[in-house]
Amino acid sequence: DAGVTQSPTHLIKTRGQQVTLRCSPKSGHDTVSWYQQALGQGPQFIFQYYEEEERQRGNFPDRFSGHQFPNYSSELNVNALLLGDSALYLCASSFSTALGSPLHFGNGTRLTVT
Amino acid sequence: GENVEQHPSTLSVQEGDSAVIKCTYSDSASNYFPWYKQELGKRPQLIIDIRSNVGEKKDQRIAVTLNKTAKHFSLHITETQPEDSAVYFCAAFYYNQGGKLIFGQGTELSVKP
Repeated sequence: DAGVTQSPTHLIKTRGQQVTLRCSPKSGHDTVSWYQQALGQGPQFIFQYYEEEERQRGNFPDRFSGHQFPNYSSELNVNALLLGDSALYLCASSFSTALGSPLHFGNGTRLTVT
Repeated sequence: GENVEQHPSTLSVQEGDSAVIKCTYSDSASNYFPWYKQELGKRPQLIIDIRSNVGEKKDQRIAVTLNKTAKHFSLHITETQPEDSAVYFCAAFYYNQGGKLIFGQGTELSVKP
């Protein structure tokens, strides 16, 4: 039973470019949440997808957007990259967070913006 | 607002001692509180969680306590071992508009042999 998988594992981009990160949730999970983790900080909530819709959003600008596909996999897109976007991006899946379900994290994508 | 405060930011103990990490949350409606352990370069992994209908939960050397009145919860690790060294994150579930998990800033635990 595969856990949460993310791709790519590492990415280097230049300021102003755009990036797409991908996530496949754990089997049986229908909800995907994305987090940004800067070095030495806790994960910061970006947004959450359920039934192919953005259900929740954290305090991130519109440059951050996402999508969820019918098979529950998800993408995170970041436009007009800034140096401050350099971080570990974590995808977490769960089964319907209505009652507060444990999140299962992927290994993350390490994004470096130069 | 949605906030989880975690203390201390760093904690150093001798092997065999106990370690305690404390968190406070802001939304009285929160009722799910997980703890995650993150080793260097690895994903956060759930180690224990507690719901608001329970005041304490224990799993071998790890225990979590919850005080809903004070909006405060704590992680207790007894008989610490060097392999317990990692960053620990608390989190609280906020129900607004479907629910999301908000994390504390993390505690770097170092267990010295």
